[in-house]
Amino acid sequence: QKEVEQNSGPLSVPEGAIASLNCTYSDRVSQSFFWYRQYSGKSPELIMSIYSNGDKEDGRFTAQLNKASQYVSLLIRDSQPSDSATYLCAGGGTNFGNEKLTFGTGTRLTIIP
Amino acid sequence: EAGVVQSPRYKIIEKKQPVAFWCNPISGHNTLYWYRQNLGQGPELLIRYENEEAVDDSQLPKDRFSAERLKGVDSTLKIQPAELGDSAVYLCASSDAEAFFGQGTRLTVV
Repeated sequence: QKEVEQNSGPLSVPEGAIASLNCTYSDRVSQSFFWYRQYSGKSPELIMSIYSNGDKEDGRFTAQLNKASQYVSLLIRDSQPSDSATYLCAGGGTNFGNEKLTFGTGTRLTIIP
Repeated sequence: EAGVVQSPRYKIIEKKQPVAFWCNPISGHNTLYWYRQNLGQGPELLIRYENEEAVDDSQLPKDRFSAERLKGVDSTLKIQPAELGDSAVYLCASSDAEAFFGQGTRLTVV
C-alpha cells in the first residue's frame, strides 16, 4: 500500500456545488495532514492543515480527519471556477510536518460554470 | 515576508551535462526539502535537511545527485551527469510545522 493514496480523478463539479476530495493513508504517516492546491504549471500552495480527528473549517474549505479509518478529506463549498486545480494530499509524521512529507498523486478538479 | 526562492526557473541542458539548482528558504525555517515532480504525479522527496544535516536522503540517487546546505540556510541540488529521465520540476520547500514551496525549477534534458 502506498503511504498516501488519492483518486486521481478527474473530478468535475458544477459551479456552486460542494466538491469532495478524499485521501487514505497507511500507518507510516500518522499525525499531520495537509492539503495543497496546484494550478497547472505552478508549485503547490498550502490551503489546509489538520492534526486532530474531526473537522477543521477555513472559509469555504473544510478538512476532515478520521484516524480510525485512516482517511482525510477536503470539502470545498460553493465551488468556483478558480477552484479548478489539482489537489494534493500530504501526510507527515509526529513533528507536525517537520518530517518526511509524503504526497499522493493528486486529484484533478474541474469546476464547470 | 519573502517566500521560498528558487533559481533558475527553467533550465534546458544536454544529457551528460551538469546542472545545479539553488534554494533560499523562508527565514527561520530549519527544515528544508527537495522534491522532484513528474507530470501528473505528486512531489517525491529527494532529500530533507534539518539545519545543515541531511536527515533523510534515502531517495536521492547518490550516483549522480548531490545536495548541500551550508550554514543551514541556502541549499544547492546538483545533478552530474544529467540523464533524459531527470527531466522534471524540482521543488524546494521549507517548513516550520507547515511546508511552503518555492516556484520550482523546470528541468529539460535533451
